[in-house]
Amino acid sequence: DGGITQSPKYLFRKEGQNVTLSCEQNLNHDAMYWYRQDPGQGLRLIYYSQIVNDFQKGDIAEGYSVSREKKESFPLTVTSAQKNPTAFYLCASSIAGTGVGETQYFGPGTRLLVL
Amino acid sequence: GEDVEQSLFLSVREGDSSVINCTYTDSSSTYLYWYKQEPGAGLQLLTYIFSNMDMKQDQRLTVLLNKKDKHLSLRIADTQTGDSAIYFCAEPASGTYKYIFGTGTRLKVLA
Repeated sequence: DGGITQSPKYLFRKEGQNVTLSCEQNLNHDAMYWYRQDPGQGLRLIYYSQIVNDFQKGDIAEGYSVSREKKESFPLTVTSAQKNPTAFYLCASSIAGTGVGETQYFGPGTRLLVL
Repeated sequence: GEDVEQSLFLSVREGDSSVINCTYTDSSSTYLYWYKQEPGAGLQLLTYIFSNMDMKQDQRLTVLLNKKDKHLSLRIADTQTGDSAIYFCAEPASGTYKYIFGTGTRLKVLA
């Protein structure tokens, strides 16, 4: 079955620690996205990658970093510079990232909590 | 601005129809989407409508599009307890790769 997987389901971060959230897709999609979801708010775009070895900042990239070394993988690192990281993180992918008539497919999410 | 607006909450009785409304911003949007999010899960695509359509029906779901008012609605017929979830409308932001999501409407179905 094709789809997007995210791990872990829950992640705990200690103060000053960097943590990495995993996102893998086997849909052969070129584009991948990371969103942050806070209660009562819509999804906010953190980073976006349209193709391997290329990525761009979204609306709230500060305190986050990403890499895109493989087509199927787009890990997100939450750095110690992100002062309010507690949120639900969603990874998504789409075929080509052109934004025209494309459907985004979402993973199950990772909930990050600060100890 | 780039805000896609939705009301935050909707409560209906099982068997009734639910109507979730959305006001979007970009009149040039080619597609408009509805996603469903169950508790603790990712978003699942429910349906979408192409901008040259006024209505799309898919089993219990009916999407209505009013381009003049930039208003999108999702009607769920015979609402069931399994329909309890958060519903997001979304549009692609013109000329960019970004998608703009609404704040989500939390639908609660009462037995």
